[in-house]
Amino acid sequence: GEDVEQSLFLSVREGDSSVINCTYTDSSSTYLYWYKQEPGAGLQLLTYIFSNMDMKQDQRLTVLLNKKDKHLSLRIADTQTGDSAIYFCAESLSGYSTLTFGKGTMLLVSP
Amino acid sequence: EAQVTQNPRYLITVTGKKLTVTCSQNMNHEYMSWYRQDPGLGLRQIYYSMNVEVTDKGDVPEGYKVSRKEKRNFPLILESPSPNQTSLYFCASSTNRGNGNEQFFGPGTRLTVL
Repeated sequence: GEDVEQSLFLSVREGDSSVINCTYTDSSSTYLYWYKQEPGAGLQLLTYIFSNMDMKQDQRLTVLLNKKDKHLSLRIADTQTGDSAIYFCAESLSGYSTLTFGKGTMLLVSP
Repeated sequence: EAQVTQNPRYLITVTGKKLTVTCSQNMNHEYMSWYRQDPGLGLRQIYYSMNVEVTDKGDVPEGYKVSRKEKRNFPLILESPSPNQTSLYFCASSTNRGNGNEQFFGPGTRLTVL
């Protein structure tokens, strides 16, 4: 069955890079997503990657996908206190809208 | 403004008193879904709907009902709430294309069942 695993907590200093990791089990996963949840708010899509890609970069965000190891990572460069939030990894199959989410990684950025 | 709205945002109720949480989207999305978020458990899908009059169970459907009579609305019904349904609930919607489509989330409804 589908399962998405993430570490639960990450603490970094402002200005450092953050790397949040995720592993998934379903080799049929076609799209992999990163969502961000700020305190008291719903989830917002940060970025997604199609499974035939190895890397996607969007400003301070870099997504790396190792399909062989079923490992996804999100790197945030020059992390700011405003990046403090819970980050969810999610997967979906092509042609299906349903997402399977990980439990979320709480990122705490200290000044 | 494109958005998903939920009402109420906060609700405290007692065991057994039927309640409905409304969800509405203005983006003409076919797909809508309900999740609950609990500490240490992440988001778990309750029910989803691929289109009007089409609903399916998610991972944790017990104790919940939904309906999809109109495209824009997807209410979540708790016929007889119990304390284990105390949680943070999110509604989400997206297109049905399945090609990296973004799910848009509502702001959440915090439910406490005493």
